[in-house]
Amino acid sequence: DMQMTQSPSSLSASVGDRVTMTCRASQSINTFLNWYQQKPGKAPKLLIYAASSLQSGVPSRFSGSGSGTDFTLTISSLQREDFGTYYCQQTYSSPIIFGPGTKVDIK
Amino acid sequence: QVQLVESGGGVVQPGRSLRLSCAASGFTFNNYGIHWVRQAPGEGLEWVAVIWYDGSNKYYADSVKGRFTISRDNSKKTVYLQMNSLRVEDTAVYYCAREEIVIAAPYEYYFDYWGQGTLVSVSS
Repeated sequence: DMQMTQSPSSLSASVGDRVTMTCRASQSINTFLNWYQQKPGKAPKLLIYAASSLQSGVPSRFSGSGSGTDFTLTISSLQREDFGTYYCQQTYSSPIIFGPGTKVDIK
Repeated sequence: QVQLVESGGGVVQPGRSLRLSCAASGFTFNNYGIHWVRQAPGEGLEWVAVIWYDGSNKYYADSVKGRFTISRDNSKKTVYLQMNSLRVEDTAVYYCAREEIVIAAPYEYYFDYWGQGTLVSVSS
């Protein structure tokens, strides 16, 4: 079965910092990789689809890159409202798998 | 605007059944596949099931296969998740989500709209 890992599991950064998190698949998934942000008590929100396409309405400080097995989500200048947990999701093969998440705190 | 509203959650004993509903509005419902995703307390996201836009295909996570059934009524713009033989480990918030296809790459897709979730608690 496909496995998804994310690192780090958590991070704390200051407003204005550049933040990078990674997602790794156990086998190649081409660009079948999406990123979601979830705040406590809320539903996940789509940020990036197909590894690097920015969802409509999502601030341009969010960007995604990668293909194959290694992917990156970058927040170019962290804002206070960017706290939450970030999940990657592979849709290359069944079953759909979400990564375990990276929790982002604001210092 | 696109809306998905889940209902039907509650507290139930192990071995009992529950049916969740996901009511859609604001889009052409019978053009879209719908997924269920769950999240146990303090845990990550787990995909549960999907039903294609016309109900012709349904797929399940191994953890629920044989116990859960997904269905849809396009005339009512509603997707259902019938959950039988519930276990303590099925306790979670259940979300429904709309599947959107990447236009330039039709085999790629993502979940662009999610409901607010409904809590299912399985406990004796």
